[in-house]
Amino acid sequence: EVQLVESGGDLVQPGGSLRLSCAASGFTFSDFDMHWVRQRTGEGLEWASGIGNGGDTHYVGSVKGRFTISRENAKNSLYLQMNDLSAGDTAVYYCVRGMGDVWGKGTTVTVSS
Amino acid sequence: DIVMTQSPDSLAVSLGERATINCKSSQSVLYSSNNKNYLAWYQQKPRQPPKLLIYWASTRQSGVPDRFSGSGSGTDFTLTISSLQAEDVAVYYCQQYYTTPPYTFGQGTKLEI
Repeated sequence: EVQLVESGGDLVQPGGSLRLSCAASGFTFSDFDMHWVRQRTGEGLEWASGIGNGGDTHYVGSVKGRFTISRENAKNSLYLQMNDLSAGDTAVYYCVRGMGDVWGKGTTVTVSS
Repeated sequence: DIVMTQSPDSLAVSLGERATINCKSSQSVLYSSNNKNYLAWYQQKPRQPPKLLIYWASTRQSGVPDRFSGSGSGTDFTLTISSLQAEDVAVYYCQQYYTTPPYTFGQGTKLEI
């Protein structure tokens, strides 16, 4: 079964750091671009970051310089290192395959003192 | 960045009637070299991740009922549900994935009975 499972979401203080992980299974992970999409409570979807199957990385402007996306194909895993977190980063973070055909259930990041 | 604007923000349609949601991009998402529109539609029900309905503006994802259809080209796109069913109550999003990220989403359209 094709599956994405996120982990690592937590309550963190403003200015803190967090690392999200996404474990992929059921498909050849290295063949696909991967993305992180986030959704603040009661709001719409925001594409946050993506990494190509060749390793090229991209970010939305609001997270550039603070977030780092990476992948470890040998472990079928996607990561998002988030630094200098603020209240605006509070959201559910979804791991998404390629053209959006597979989504994880999401992991919740809460930034609050 | 490409801005995606959906209309209306919310919509109430009777069971069995047609529902139409519009999406407009701030620049064309039609790639001339392959004549494909880099536009997708998603459905999100409460407490669930989004589900891909349509990609390339008009190609239905496997398993999606044929009452869902996508149309349009360039900057103007439409998602049509031909005969609304109770299970179609959801928020619908368009997303562009044209060339370089960020792959922006529309603000969402809430569909009710």
